[in-house]
Amino acid sequence: ETGVTQSPTHLIKTRGQQVTLRCSSQSGHNTVSWYQQALGQGPQFIFQYYREEENGRGNFPPRFSGLQFPNYSSELNVNALELDDSALYLCASSQDSGSDEQYFGPGTRLTVT
Amino acid sequence: KQEVTQIPAALSVPEGENLVLNCSFTDSAIYNLQWFRQDPGKGLTSLLLIQSSQREQTSGRLNASLDKSSGRSTLYIAASQPGDSATYLCAAPNQAGTALIFGKGTTLSVSS
Repeated sequence: ETGVTQSPTHLIKTRGQQVTLRCSSQSGHNTVSWYQQALGQGPQFIFQYYREEENGRGNFPPRFSGLQFPNYSSELNVNALELDDSALYLCASSQDSGSDEQYFGPGTRLTVT
Repeated sequence: KQEVTQIPAALSVPEGENLVLNCSFTDSAIYNLQWFRQDPGKGLTSLLLIQSSQREQTSGRLNASLDKSSGRSTLYIAASQPGDSATYLCAAPNQAGTALIFGKGTTLSVSS
């Protein structure tokens, strides 16, 4: 158990809809990172938040956005869902930096139909 | 730009064999490298974190080595068991240190 939780476990949405995924980091971890993992691929970095500010972003369009809250929870929001957004979404927390050991949650499986 | 490659993509071995999984990375200026295990449809479990100042790290039957100069890391699994069947991913930080860059993984199947 890493102490990182995610909700919901599974989600089915229709193309064009919006979705919010949630993550609860380990207590004391100031950094949260979100990753997208398509079937058969390694996780791809979406963005990172450090103390509630975006601290880095991967090659994802602006319709992917996030928030981090002072209580170690965070959200990933995706607008205008596309079929290719179907994937496992993982959040990871680390103490202060993305270079620190990262602890991953169980993921949210998003299916877009 | 950091790129991570893992070979082989898949590996099948009988129970009891020792095996080596390979990971290579292009940017050797890394702080550390992590190895993860992923069961089908599940999240990632951290197996070993090797700091750049270390050459290897051990946990039980697992041993990971890091050679920054050649841009390579290996994960050695001793006396494999059916319960070791999973996908193994290695990941190195990007240049900014804000993200982990993952390989595509090696899917291991250990038969009894």
